[in-house]
Amino acid sequence: RKEVEQDPGPFNVPEGATVAFNCTYSNSASQSFFWYRQDCRKEPKLLMSVYSSGNEDGRFTAQLNRASQYISLLIRDSKLSDSATYLCVVKETSYDKVIFGPGTSLSVIP
Amino acid sequence: GAVVSQHPSRVICKSGTSVKIECRSLDFQATTMFWYRQFPKQSLMLMATSNEGSKATYEQGVEKDKFLINHASLTLSTLTVTSAHPEDSSFYICSARGLAARQETQYFGPGTRLLVL
Repeated sequence: RKEVEQDPGPFNVPEGATVAFNCTYSNSASQSFFWYRQDCRKEPKLLMSVYSSGNEDGRFTAQLNRASQYISLLIRDSKLSDSATYLCVVKETSYDKVIFGPGTSLSVIP
Repeated sequence: GAVVSQHPSRVICKSGTSVKIECRSLDFQATTMFWYRQFPKQSLMLMATSNEGSKATYEQGVEKDKFLINHASLTLSTLTVTSAHPEDSSFYICSARGLAARQETQYFGPGTRLLVL
């Protein structure tokens, strides 16, 4: 089983739609969780951290379920500029180990 | 925010040559730098972790003699791909964590696209 798994995608949605991405991780002792976005041929950029209580940043909402080892990202009112690959990132218990999921591609269509 | 640069951004070389990629933290001191590799349509794979002044820790399956990492100062780490072959063609990305950066965040360089002919 892979350490971090994500929806295979790609997701093609119209502008204004709500889209949800799922992610599961295998190491129950993982400490920190993040969502990154990566535009084509660019480096990943931090979108938001994921906290146990859930957190929201504008149109983006992240949720964490430690019992199920599951992370989600919800994007509301999607924009054309949201088109990118979304990477679920998990930090292992060892301080320096960061694991990237395979990513889910999102295309927002006019 | 913290900025990490990489040089070169793109390199094309002949098979058998060595290529050096530089990663610099521009406005903070990076005690730890990470090197990743990303093949098309795949996720980032951690190659190695380097701490300033000490030997890099390589991930399983990454040849330390082929991918030489040097982290001689708090603002510079280099990755040298020795005797590069076409299968080494990839997108190489460094990231840095340092004293002035939020500890929970890694700052990524813009990446270096390597094509070995």
